[in-house]
Amino acid sequence: NAGVMQNPRHLVRRRGQEARLRCSPMKGHSHVYWYRQLPEEGLKFMVYLQKENIIDESGMPKERFSAEFPKEGPSILRIQQVVRGDSAAYFCASSPRGPGAKNIQYFGAGTRLSVL
Amino acid sequence: QQQVKQSPQSLIVQKGGISIINCAYENTAFDYFPWYQQFPGKGPALLIAIRPDVSEKKEGRFTISFNKSAKQFSLHIMDSQPGDSATYFCAASNTGKLIFGQGTTLQVKP
Repeated sequence: NAGVMQNPRHLVRRRGQEARLRCSPMKGHSHVYWYRQLPEEGLKFMVYLQKENIIDESGMPKERFSAEFPKEGPSILRIQQVVRGDSAAYFCASSPRGPGAKNIQYFGAGTRLSVL
Repeated sequence: QQQVKQSPQSLIVQKGGISIINCAYENTAFDYFPWYQQFPGKGPALLIAIRPDVSEKKEGRFTISFNKSAKQFSLHIMDSQPGDSATYFCAASNTGKLIFGQGTTLQVKP
C-alpha cells in the first residue's frame, strides 16, 4: 500500500534550465496538492488539482510555474527558467476527497530542488 | 485573514514533560484543523486533526484543544519523549488547501 510517491528526491538545475517534479498520489486518491517549503520556513500552498482540472492555483507564481494532473500518469509541477530563489523543498499531498468531506492530506517525502 | 499564527518558534522540554504548541487563526470559515509532524529530510506526517464542533480530541499522548470563540487551538504532547523531537506544524482549511503555521521546532532532552 504505497504512499504518495515523489521523484526525483533531489534535483539540481542550473539557472535558466527547466525542472520537472513528479507526484503519484496514493491509490484511490484523485485530489493532489503541491506545497513549497523554503529553508527554515513553513509550507506554502501552491496548487490544488483533480484529474485533468486545476481547482485552485492561487498560490502559484504567475510566471514560469505550471502544474498538471493528467487522466493517466502522475501529477507534474513544472518550473521553467529556474532561478536561485526557486531552491526549496516541493511537497505533494493527496487526499481521497475534496473539501467539505474528511480532507485528510497525505504527504510525499518531497523533492529538494537546488538551483546553481 | 488567511494566516495561521503559531507559537513558540522553538521549544525545549525535558523527557516526561508536557509540550504545548499554540495556533491562532482569523478566518472563521476554516472547518478543519490538522497538526503535522516533520522530521528533517522527510515529508510532513499527519498527527491528529479536529473540526470546530468539538473542543478537544485525544489520540494517545497527543491532544488538540480547540477554542472556537477565541479562534485558537493548541497541541499538547503528554509524557514527551526524545523521539518526539521534530518540527510541528498546525494548519487550517476549508477549501481544500492547507494554510500552515510557521512551525515549532521541539527538542525533548533525555
